[in-house]
Amino acid sequence: DQQVKQNSPSLSVQEGRISILNCDYTNSMFDYFLWYKKYPAEGPTFLISISSIKDKNEDGRFTVFLNKSAKHLSLHIVPSQPGDSAVYFCAATFSAGGTSYGKLTFGQGTILTVHP
Amino acid sequence: SAVISQKPSRDICQRGTSLTIQCQVDSQVTMMFWYRQQPGQSLTLIATANQGSEATYESGFVIDKFPISRPNLTFSTLTVSNMSPEDSSIYLCSVEPPMSTEAFFGQGTRLTVV
Repeated sequence: DQQVKQNSPSLSVQEGRISILNCDYTNSMFDYFLWYKKYPAEGPTFLISISSIKDKNEDGRFTVFLNKSAKHLSLHIVPSQPGDSAVYFCAATFSAGGTSYGKLTFGQGTILTVHP
Repeated sequence: SAVISQKPSRDICQRGTSLTIQCQVDSQVTMMFWYRQQPGQSLTLIATANQGSEATYESGFVIDKFPISRPNLTFSTLTVSNMSPEDSSIYLCSVEPPMSTEAFFGQGTRLTVV
């Protein structure tokens, strides 16, 4: 039972354009969502997060949008840079009631390639 | 934030043997986590390790196969026991620092069982 799904295994974008990575979830109990970036031979690094009480969160070139009714979130990267080329993982957790932010359910990941 | 060091970074092991992976954090953390990433798959939580208590295992993972130690607030080990080729994966240690709303990961241990 894949509770968090990233249906696009890969995405190729030209430098300077927008990258949009998508993520769907099935468990309505999830109330906190994160995006991680992973380079080969490294652990995932935190990128941006969003609580279910919001529908948008921005941090520089990165914006995450949350549509609770559709159980869908997306990560927008504008403008995309070659250094953004990595695997991007969507993750979800239950933060309410003091549940740990580290107990995460991950999607399968999307390989982003940004061409110069 | 937290800086996490995992050892070994990679290993090739014979089936039937065991490997212990170490995770060292540069600050005291209550909660540590162990994840597995099988080839082409997402990261899957194996267990949560809190200092002073038994690790809590997720469905599909058992203590006999993946014993965990958590002797203090900066260190943990995960042992992969009686290995088979199906255990070939990347194993990752993760921590949740106090007052943080995100988890930090080590660089992972790439295990190949032959």
